[in-house]
Amino acid sequence: GAVVSQHPSRVICKSGTSVKIECRSLDFQATTMFWYRQFPKQSLMLMATSNEGSKATYEQGVEKDKFLINHASLTLSTLTVTSAHPEDSSFYICSARRTTQETQYFGPGTRLLVL
Amino acid sequence: DAKTTQPTSMDCAEGRAANLPCNHSTISGNEYVYWYRQIHSQGPQYIIHGLKNNETNEMASLIITEDRKSSTLILPHATLRDTAVYYCIVRVDLTGFQKLVFGTGTRLLVSP
Repeated sequence: GAVVSQHPSRVICKSGTSVKIECRSLDFQATTMFWYRQFPKQSLMLMATSNEGSKATYEQGVEKDKFLINHASLTLSTLTVTSAHPEDSSFYICSARRTTQETQYFGPGTRLLVL
Repeated sequence: DAKTTQPTSMDCAEGRAANLPCNHSTISGNEYVYWYRQIHSQGPQYIIHGLKNNETNEMASLIITEDRKSSTLILPHATLRDTAVYYCIVRVDLTGFQKLVFGTGTRLLVSP
C-alpha cells in the first residue's frame, strides 16, 4: 500500500503555544488529505477534509480558526493547533488519497500533550 | 449516511480463522464496504474493501451478503500480531466528498 508519514511522532508543548504537524504522502500525489483526532479509548473522529490548493472543509463542531489546515502541495498537508490547551491533547492522525476512487491510507499518528 | 454495527470485542485462538461480522443495513447501492484495523497507538491500516462481490487479498477475505446488508471479514490463520481494533466502514459520498467515518470497531484479541 501507499506510504503516509507524519512529523513529529509526539510533541509536548506549553498551554497557549501553537503546534504544527506535518503529513506527507511519500510515494504518491494526494489530491485529498484528511485529519482525524482520537482520544483515549475512543474511535477516530474526522476533523477536516482538504483538497490540494483549496480551503479545508471542517466537520461540524471543529473550530477552523483553532485548527489551521494547509494543503499547499500534492504531497504535504499541515495541521496547526493554535493556542493549544490541555483539552487539545490527543492523537492526531492524517490520511491521504490519490483520487476519489482510490483507497485512503493513514499516517502513523502524532501524539500531542499540552501541559 | 449508512452506519455500521460491530460486536465490541471478540476472541480468537492463534492459528484459527477469525470471522469478524459487520451489519450495514442502510447501505446505498454505490457505497463500498471498507475494513481497516488499528494496532495500539498506531494509525489505521487498510485491509480490504468491496462493493458486491467477495474479495480476497494477502491479508484477508471479505464476504458480502447478496442483499449487501452485512459482511464478514475473515483472517484465515490469525496470529498474535493480528490483535487490534477492526473497523468496518461504509464510505460516505456527499456531493463528491468521499470520506471514511469510523464507528467503534471490534477489539480482536488473539491468544496463544
